[in-house]
Amino acid sequence: AQSVTQLGSHVSVSEGALVLLRCNYSSSVPPYLFWYVQYPNQGLQLLLKYTSAATLVKGINGFEAEFKKSETSFHLTKPSAHMSDAAEYFCAASSGGSYIPTFGRGTSLIVHP
Amino acid sequence: ETGVTQTPRHLVMGMTNKKSLKCEQHLGHNAMYWYKQSAKKPLELMFVYSLEERVENNSVPSRFSPECPNSSHLFLHLHTLQPEDSALYLCASSQGDRSPLHFGNGTRLTVT
Repeated sequence: AQSVTQLGSHVSVSEGALVLLRCNYSSSVPPYLFWYVQYPNQGLQLLLKYTSAATLVKGINGFEAEFKKSETSFHLTKPSAHMSDAAEYFCAASSGGSYIPTFGRGTSLIVHP
Repeated sequence: ETGVTQTPRHLVMGMTNKKSLKCEQHLGHNAMYWYKQSAKKPLELMFVYSLEERVENNSVPSRFSPECPNSSHLFLHLHTLQPEDSALYLCASSQGDRSPLHFGNGTRLTVT
C-alpha cells in the first residue's frame, strides 16, 4: 500500500530564512504528488502538484517542490519565509487507478519574527 | 458561487441529538469525500462517493451516515455521537483519477 512520510511534525524558521519541508513516498511506480496548506480554521488548499511533466514544480505563494525518483522524495521549499506562511502543510500521493490520495501526517510550520 | 461550501461552520450538539452536515460543490466534479480531522491526529478518510455511489467506507461507526443525492451534494447525518467525535469535518471533491482534492472550510463539531 502507498504511504507518505513527512519528517518532522513541527518546523520552526525565522522570517526570511529558507523553508524546507520533507516528504517521502513509498511506491514502485511514481505517483502523482501534491502539497496542500491549511491555515487555522480553514480547509486544505492545493499549493502545487507533480504529474510527471517536470521534476521541479512551482506553486502558489513562492513555494516549489522537486521530485527526486532516486530518493522517492518530494520536498517543499521556499527561499524566504514570511510570517503569513505559518500553517499546517500536508503532502499527499495518488497512484494510477485510484482517486483516493494518501496523506502524510502534516508538518506545522512556525515562523518567528 | 464557486468551490466547495460546507454548512454549518460550527455545530454544538448533545449526545442524544440528530444533526446533519451539508456539503455542496460547484466545480462539476464527480467524486466527493468526507474527512475527519482531530487534534494531533492525521487526516482520517471516512467516506468517498464517485458518481453518487459509495466506493469507500473506512470502518466508520454507524452513528455517522452519509448521503449523496447527486454529484453536487453530500451530507453527513449524525446521531447519538460521543465526545470523541468532536473534530473538524472536512468535505472535498475531485475530478477522477489522481486529481487534486478541493476542500471546503469544514464544520467544527463539538459533542457535549
